[in-house]
Amino acid sequence: EAGVVQSPRYKIIEKKQPVAFWCNPISGHNTLYWYRQNLGQGPELLIRYENEEAVDDSQLPKDRFSAERLKGVDSTLKIQPAELGDSAVYLCASSRTGAGTDTQYFGPGTRLTVL
Amino acid sequence: QQPVQSPQAVILREGEDAVINCSSSKALYSVHWYRQKHGEAPVFLMILLKGGEQKGHEKISASFNEKKQQSSLYLTASQLSYSGTYFCGTEKYEGNTPLVFGKGTRLSVIA
Repeated sequence: EAGVVQSPRYKIIEKKQPVAFWCNPISGHNTLYWYRQNLGQGPELLIRYENEEAVDDSQLPKDRFSAERLKGVDSTLKIQPAELGDSAVYLCASSRTGAGTDTQYFGPGTRLTVL
Repeated sequence: QQPVQSPQAVILREGEDAVINCSSSKALYSVHWYRQKHGEAPVFLMILLKGGEQKGHEKISASFNEKKQQSSLYLTASQLSYSGTYFCGTEKYEGNTPLVFGKGTRLSVIA
C-alpha cells in the first residue's frame, strides 16, 4: 500500500512569491490533514478535511493561506504571498476517519525556505 | 493546550533504558506517540486511550495514567535505530477533535 505522497520535497522561494504544495493521501482515507512543523517543534494543525469539506481550519492564516480538496482525494495548500516566517516543513497526513482512535499517517513533508 | 514533554533531550548508550513523559493540564481522551527521524515523516508508534491501559511493541511500551493526565513511553534495551525525536499528540475529547502535539523529545542512542 502506497503511503502519503507529497510534492515537492523542497522549495526555495523569495518572500512575496506564491507557493503551492500537493498531497495525495492513502487510498480510502477520508480525512486529510495539513500541518506546519517549525524547527525543533511538533506538528501544528493548519486544516483538516473530511472528504472535501474543511471541518477545522481555525489555525489557518486565511489572509495568505488557502487549501482545497476538490474531489475529496488529493489536496493543495497554497501560500500567497509567502513571508520569511513561513519557512517550515509542511506535512500532510491522512487517516481512515477523523476519529481520535484512528492512526494518522504522515507524508515526508515539503521543506519550504523563504528568502 | 499543548502537552508538555520531558525530558527535552536524552543521550543513551546502546542497551540502556529511557522513559519519555507527556503531560497535560487538561483531561485527555487519548495519547498518540510518534517517532520522527531527521528529515523524515513522523512514524506512528501507538495510541493509548483513557483507562490507564498499557501497550507494547517489542521493546517499546507506553502507559496512560488518567489521574495524572500523563502518558509515559518506555524504551527498553535501546538500539541505535531508536534515535530520533519522539512526539506525543493528545486528544481532549472522544470524537473528531484534532491532535495537539508536544514539542518533542530528542533521543540519541550511541554505541
